[in-house]
This record gives sequence, structure tokens and C-alpha cells, in this order.
Amino acid sequence: GAGVSQSPSNKVTEKGKDVELRCDPISGHTALYWYRQSLGQGLEFLIYFQGNSAPDKSGLPSDRFSAERTGGSVSTLTIQRTQQEDSAVYLCASSLQGLEQYFGPGTRLTVT
Amino acid sequence: RKEVEQDPGPFNVPEGATVAFNCTYSNSASQSFFWYRQDCRKEPKLLMSVYSSGNEDGRFTAQLNRASQYISLLIRDSKLSDSATYLCVVNYGGATNKLIFGTGTLLAVQP
Repeated sequence: GAGVSQSPSNKVTEKGKDVELRCDPISGHTALYWYRQSLGQGLEFLIYFQGNSAPDKSGLPSDRFSAERTGGSVSTLTIQRTQQEDSAVYLCASSLQGLEQYFGPGTRLTVT
Repeated sequence: RKEVEQDPGPFNVPEGATVAFNCTYSNSASQSFFWYRQDCRKEPKLLMSVYSSGNEDGRFTAQLNRASQYISLLIRDSKLSDSATYLCVVNYGGATNKLIFGTGTLLAVQP
């Protein structure tokens, strides 16, 4: 079946602009996660959605970052007023009732 | 202290060799443990879960030592295709599904 998909695959934006990154999880997966990975670094947890519960936003690095998940499916991560340090690969993962996480291919964000 | 610590490597081994990776975690309340594999410029993919009794999947064996808060991965008969970064992953604690990823150990299998 279809895996986790993310769009766009690459995004180049100017400092100060807003960006939206999209994640389509595996159908039926109740949990959705956002991470970011800077070059040569490990994965940094950003936010976690589980069913209809309030999301766990504890990993968001600043109030410029926000995410929503509509209808328990698609999620959008928004970064406002982008900074150069936001440049990274943003990875989305989904899981079925909290079991193993399956990752999308990521969105490579470059802020110039 | 990092929540999940791994030797970054690189581990350079010849084909056919046996190689072992270790990982330590700081939160004694963690209950779920995994090894993920990440190829260069690709997303992480689940390699195997790690169970208390230890588990094996073909050439791969994972072990957990809760008392020492230590996880290991053993790869036997290394293949060129095993070259990748291996990520040690644990949950934040209790039954939460939030995961902490180690920074990974780079394995390069040489012909």
C-alpha cells in the first residue's frame, strides 16, 4: 500500500517568508509525528498528534512553528518568518496506535 | 548527558565480518526500543524492535539490558548493502509513543 508522502520534496525560500509543509500519513494510522534533521545531525522531535487528543507540541523550537492535523489525516507544518537556522530536512512519520513509525521521504527546506 | 548515546563511528569492516553497535539511554522509564536504519539522504526505516528477551531477524540480533540501560545490535556476515547509519531509538518513558533518536552509528562495509 501507499506509504507516508510529503510535499514539496524540496523548498527554497527567502529569509522572512512563511512556508507550509504537508504530510499525508498511511491510511488508518492514528499517530502522526514531525521531526527535523539538520545536516549530519540526529532527528529532533517537533510535534506529535495522536487521534483526537491534544497534540504534544513540546518539541517546537519557537512560536514561529505550528502544525495542524485536519480530519485525523493530513498534517501541515507551518514555519513563519523563516530563518536560516530553519534549514533542514523535515520528516513526517505515522504509526498505527503508537507502534513502529513509518517515515515519509522528507521535505528539504533551504532558507536563503 | 544525552538521552540516547551512540558511538558515531564510522565502523569500517570487510564483507563477511561481524560488527556490534552499542547504545545507552538515560531514562529508566523507557519501555520501547528500536533500531532504525538510515541510508544517505534518505528517511529512517525501521530495522527491528528490541525485546527484553533479545530477538533475532536473520543476520541481525538485538539485545536489551534494562539494568544497565543498554541496547546492542549485532550484524553477522556483513554485506555491502548493510552500509548505512544505524539509529538507536527509545521512547520518552512509560507508554508514550514519543521517540528519542540517537545520532546514529555509521557503518561502511568494504569489499
